Amino acid sequence: NAGVMQNPRHLVRRRGQEARLRCSPMKGHSHVYWYRQLPEEGLKFMVYLQKENIIDESGMPKERFSAEFPKEGPSILRIQQVVRGDSAAYFCASSAEAPGRTGELFFGEGSRLTVL
Amino acid sequence: GENVEQHPSTLSVQEGDSAVIKCTYSDSASNYFPWYKQELGKGPQLIIDIRSNVGEKKDQRIAVTLNKTAKHFSLHITETQPEDSAVYFCAAKRTGANNLFFGTGTRLTVIP
Repeated sequence: NAGVMQNPRHLVRRRGQEARLRCSPMKGHSHVYWYRQLPEEGLKFMVYLQKENIIDESGMPKERFSAEFPKEGPSILRIQQVVRGDSAAYFCASSAEAPGRTGELFFGEGSRLTVL
Repeated sequence: GENVEQHPSTLSVQEGDSAVIKCTYSDSASNYFPWYKQELGKGPQLIIDIRSNVGEKKDQRIAVTLNKTAKHFSLHITETQPEDSAVYFCAAKRTGANNLFFGTGTRLTVIP
């Protein structure tokens, strides 16, 4: 039973380019979350999605960042016109039930974005 | 919103000794408190969690205690082993919320 799969594991972009990070949740999980981790810091919530719906994007920067979870395929976190401050590890998590039920999240191994 | 503080930021112990990591939270409505272990280059893995209707939970060498009145919870690892070396994060969440609020992490080093 595969866990949460993220790719790419490492991504290098120059300032102004676009970054696309992909996440496939655990089998049977329909709730997906994106968290960002800056060096030496804890994880910060960005967005919570269910299939085809953004439920909560309160942690997402208003500009340049977007997320989707289409009916078919992985969830995608997209960062346009990247800046050096976007350099971080981006973690995807999934859960089988809505967050109001158990709260247990399973995390992927992360995508580490470096902006030159 | 919720604010979770975690101490210490680094902790070194001799193999076989105990390690204790403490967290405080600010939102009295928080009722779910998981602990995650993150090894270098990996994602966080849930190791134990506790809900606000219990005061203590134990799983082999790992235990978590919760004091709702004081709004703090702690992770206890006994008989530490070198493979326990990692960064540990506490987190808090309230019913109905969509996200976990994480502490800033504790880097635990177990010296053989």
